[in-house]
Amino acid sequence: DTEVTQTPKHLVMGMTNKKSLKCEQHMGHRAMYWYKQKAKKPPELMFVYSYEKLSINESVPSRFSPECPNSSLLNLHLHALQPEDSALYLCASSQDQRGELFFGEGSRLTVL
Amino acid sequence: GENVEQHPSTLSVQEGDSAVIKCTYSDSASNYFPWYKQELGKRPQLIIDIRSNVGEKKDQRIAVTLNKTAKHFSLHITETQPEDSAVYFCAGHSGTYKYIFGTGTRLKVLA
Repeated sequence: DTEVTQTPKHLVMGMTNKKSLKCEQHMGHRAMYWYKQKAKKPPELMFVYSYEKLSINESVPSRFSPECPNSSLLNLHLHALQPEDSALYLCASSQDQRGELFFGEGSRLTVL
Repeated sequence: GENVEQHPSTLSVQEGDSAVIKCTYSDSASNYFPWYKQELGKRPQLIIDIRSNVGEKKDQRIAVTLNKTAKHFSLHITETQPEDSAVYFCAGHSGTYKYIFGTGTRLKVLA
């Protein structure tokens, strides 16, 4: 299994809503990532979890809250988002800090 | 800070011709250079990569070259086909968790 699975594929939410994005991998990878991608731009790193601990937070606003319940799961909790947060949110995993990145298909988020 | 420059931003080629995309990195510690292809609405997918102890790597119609002295690496696609049309991202990686992505090249292969 070389898949990173993300749900939901599409999400529309209002600025007062609370929602969550979910990511799962069963490759035994110990690093999991959240990236944000705007149209025609490269992926932009948000968070990295290594061995279930938050290793990197790229100064992301607190309205985005990551969670790593176990080594296979990664969540991104969303609250009080702004329209400019609309983007494709990509989850990725790698064996370790030197390994190849495997991306999920992404969750396309629209904030109204 | 670390930076990866990518050129050109758009590239149109006739089917069957070759395409070359170039990247330049700034971090001397970078030692791993993957290339990702992203089709419209899809995930970025690794198509080829190269590590700093290798100067060239080839996989069928795709090749990557690395010049460590000049801090340049390039993607070469030969005999291009319409299905090669996509956005291509280069990246540099120094063994930490941070991949520094280039700004992307939109490749159009004209039939």
